[in-house]
Amino acid sequence: QQPVQSPQAVILREGEDAVINCSSSKALYSVHWYRQKHGEAPVFLMILLKGGEQKGHEKISASFNEKKQQSSLYLTASQLSYSGTYFCGTDRIRGGGADGLTFGKGTHLIIQP
Amino acid sequence: DVKVTQSSRYLVKRTGEKVFLECVQDMDHENMFWYRQDPGLGLRLIYFSYDVKMKEKGDIPEGYSVSREKKERFSLILESASTNQTSMYLCASSLLSPGMLKTQYFGPGTRLLVL
Repeated sequence: QQPVQSPQAVILREGEDAVINCSSSKALYSVHWYRQKHGEAPVFLMILLKGGEQKGHEKISASFNEKKQQSSLYLTASQLSYSGTYFCGTDRIRGGGADGLTFGKGTHLIIQP
Repeated sequence: DVKVTQSSRYLVKRTGEKVFLECVQDMDHENMFWYRQDPGLGLRLIYFSYDVKMKEKGDIPEGYSVSREKKERFSLILESASTNQTSMYLCASSLLSPGMLKTQYFGPGTRLLVL
């Protein structure tokens, strides 16, 4: 059951904020967020665990709503370097990603100067 | 820094050929994974391995096999390549130990074209 990401694409001006959502139809233990730039490997951003607090790194943070089985990624005051495709990955069978992840189809983020 | 390397960035093969994609990680990770990435579909898990000589099917294993003879190396094999296997192939590795975060680190990918 592939998680559903929204929106599929978003175009922003530098300095604007963005929210990317990731929803699952099944109960989650963890949600993993990655960013991929064109022609490059996905780069790990953060993991959110069930029962854990909202995490953040500089101007990128994320939350995990266990009841809604949803995670949201927040990009504040976006920079040109934030452009890329963002993927969320959720547990396949065992929690935490030990047996791999099921990824959403991705959200394309374009930041314009 | 974790480093995951893949043997080729680009590969062109003919239908029916046997294809080997190699992946090596240098962080002593127990878990290794092979995904394929296609436009509009995201990343899909083909196979994974949590130990030497162990392998588990992912979500789309048909047409593929894997080999893990050493902890640091995980190979993806296309027994008889077909055009629908044209794709970007990504290898990843992670820790498996209980209590440790299972962050997956990806290699640069191999873009395979089957003619």
